[in-house]
Amino acid sequence: DTAVSQTPKYLVTQMGNDKSIKCEQNLGHDTMYWYKQDSKKFLKIMFSYNNKELIINETVPNRFSPKSPDKAHLNLHINSLELGDSAVYFCASSQGTGTTPLGFFGPGTRLTVL
Amino acid sequence: GNSVTQMEGPVTLSEEAFLTINCTYTATGYPSLFWYVQYPGEGLQLLLKATKADDKGSNKGFEATYRKETTSFHLEKGSVQVSDSAVYFCALKETSGSRLTFGEGTQLTVNP
Repeated sequence: DTAVSQTPKYLVTQMGNDKSIKCEQNLGHDTMYWYKQDSKKFLKIMFSYNNKELIINETVPNRFSPKSPDKAHLNLHINSLELGDSAVYFCASSQGTGTTPLGFFGPGTRLTVL
Repeated sequence: GNSVTQMEGPVTLSEEAFLTINCTYTATGYPSLFWYVQYPGEGLQLLLKATKADDKGSNKGFEATYRKETTSFHLEKGSVQVSDSAVYFCALKETSGSRLTFGEGTQLTVNP
């Protein structure tokens, strides 16, 4: 019944490793997002996909690569992890890109880079 | 560009106290405004919204009024409960597109 799910919930890894976070939504939405929340709770959009097409790509290091195999999934792959990548990453979804508010966030993935 | 400024936290209140969390924004055009709540260990949930000037959003006893003249969307609740302890985010969405701009979040702790 979970609307937006993410795996894993916690991820602890060493600097320099490559890792992926997966996101799935079962709401039939056509737009999905990745947000990063830093230690001060500040949320910033990273990417957005609409029907598998990239529509928002903020100034994010190219070590971060989103992949949307279908409109229900948006995965985030991170290469060569750095200490500053430690944060909580939230996936979200919405229907359309117009006036629909962003009502559905996943529970977050807490990434810790050692 | 767009920006949202919230009052600094943390805010600590006793149960049944009155709550105000200030939010002001800078945007071009006529954005939609939102309040989100993040309970400990969970993702964000949409709490309430307002899409045009003078609209009042309300939910679970919380209210906020879209004030264009003061570019504000302050969150209020008449009597808070311990279960309201969470981080509250003000956000705006531009008139076209899907980009949400969040404020920095305000931690609220309600003590019994």
